[in-house]
Amino acid sequence: NAGVTQTPKFRVLKTGQSMTLLCAQDMNHEYMYWYRQDPGMGLRLIHYSVGEGTTAKGEVPDGYNVSRLKKQNFLLGLESAAPSQTSVYFCASSLGQENQPQHFGDGTRLSIL
Amino acid sequence: GESVGLHLPTLSVQEGDNSIINCAYSNSASDYFIWYKQESGKGPQFIIDIRSNMDKRQGQRVTVLLNKTVKHLSLQIAATQPGDSAVYFCAENTGGFKTIFGAGTRLFVKA
Repeated sequence: NAGVTQTPKFRVLKTGQSMTLLCAQDMNHEYMYWYRQDPGMGLRLIHYSVGEGTTAKGEVPDGYNVSRLKKQNFLLGLESAAPSQTSVYFCASSLGQENQPQHFGDGTRLSIL
Repeated sequence: GESVGLHLPTLSVQEGDNSIINCAYSNSASDYFIWYKQESGKGPQFIIDIRSNMDKRQGQRVTVLLNKTVKHLSLQIAATQPGDSAVYFCAENTGGFKTIFGAGTRLFVKA
């Protein structure tokens, strides 16, 4: 049981380049989330999804887009990368119920030069 | 505004001692609280949770205490081991599935 898998694990981009981060979960969870983690700060929610085909903005959505075409996958896109988007990105999933813990992947470390 | 914070950014304990990591929350309407452990290079890992209708919950070597009167949450780790060295986050659910995470406390275990 792999849980939540994120690819790639590391990536270096130049300013203005685009890329997509992939998240896959095999727990049949309804809810999925993308967070960024920066030094000295708590996880901040970028976008989330409460089910296949639905997405919504979180706390820091600017510069990112997401898609949830399949229940098990949640993609995070950067259309034109900026140095401020250098961060560690975590995907998480949870059951489609209130008050359930989130299960996290091991992150994607992204550097924008 | 809503916030989840930690009193101590770092905590150093001797192997075998008990560890206590504290957390304050500001939203009195929060009804679900979670502790996560994050090891270097890994994602946060669920440790234990507690609902607002409880004031204590125990797991294997871990206990979470909730004091709603002063909006305080703590994680107690018994007989701390080197493998417990990590960053610990508290988090609160402010309604539904949205979670607010604290910045974390780094726990160092001295052999």
